[in-house]
Amino acid sequence: DVKVTQSSRYLVKRTGEKVFLECVQDMDHENMFWYRQDPGLGLRLIYFSYDVKMKEKGDIPEGYSVSREKKERFSLILESASTNQTSMYLCASITSNGELFFGEGSRLTVL
Amino acid sequence: AQTVTQSQPEMSVQEAETVTLSCTYDTSESDYYLFWYKQPPSRQMILVIRQEAYKQQNATENRFSVNFQKAAKSFSLKISDSQLGDAAMYFCAYRRRSQGAQKLVFGQGTRLTINP
Repeated sequence: DVKVTQSSRYLVKRTGEKVFLECVQDMDHENMFWYRQDPGLGLRLIYFSYDVKMKEKGDIPEGYSVSREKKERFSLILESASTNQTSMYLCASITSNGELFFGEGSRLTVL
Repeated sequence: AQTVTQSQPEMSVQEAETVTLSCTYDTSESDYYLFWYKQPPSRQMILVIRQEAYKQQNATENRFSVNFQKAAKSFSLKISDSQLGDAAMYFCAYRRRSQGAQKLVFGQGTRLTINP
């Protein structure tokens, strides 16, 4: 089975802290994604990566950066967390026929 | 830019009955994929069903089927014989078919409650 694993299910951070959210997939997928999920807004794409060291901004990249040093790992970085970044963060990788496989999600609270 | 709209934030249905979730989308493309994803409470999002725009036949997966109306840009999900395990958030999503265009665009989601 395809597995996408997110390192933390729940995090509580303070305003201004640097936050790392890590995601690992075990299916050798080239494309990986970070989405943010908020009630009433659905899933919004933050960043995606189509290859190692390659990244592209999604719809809401402000305040975020990403890192993809290895094919299986895609990290989301909040350089200086703010309260409006309190949200559920979902990582996903995609098969060649377009099916997304998601991790369990990381619920981040910024105080 | 493509957009996906789910106009029903919440729906409820009696167990064993049928429910239809609505989705509309906006695109100028002619070739694309449409998806319905399910997110059970505190669990991973999973694919329910997928439709390729060039196929006229509506996709079906067991109790789940879609009504794909390409001209109307409508893609509804019908769940027959609803079960308690169907309770979840459901998201409609769109993706262009073009090579390299792997991004999916999601709707706002519909929370489905199943009443026993």
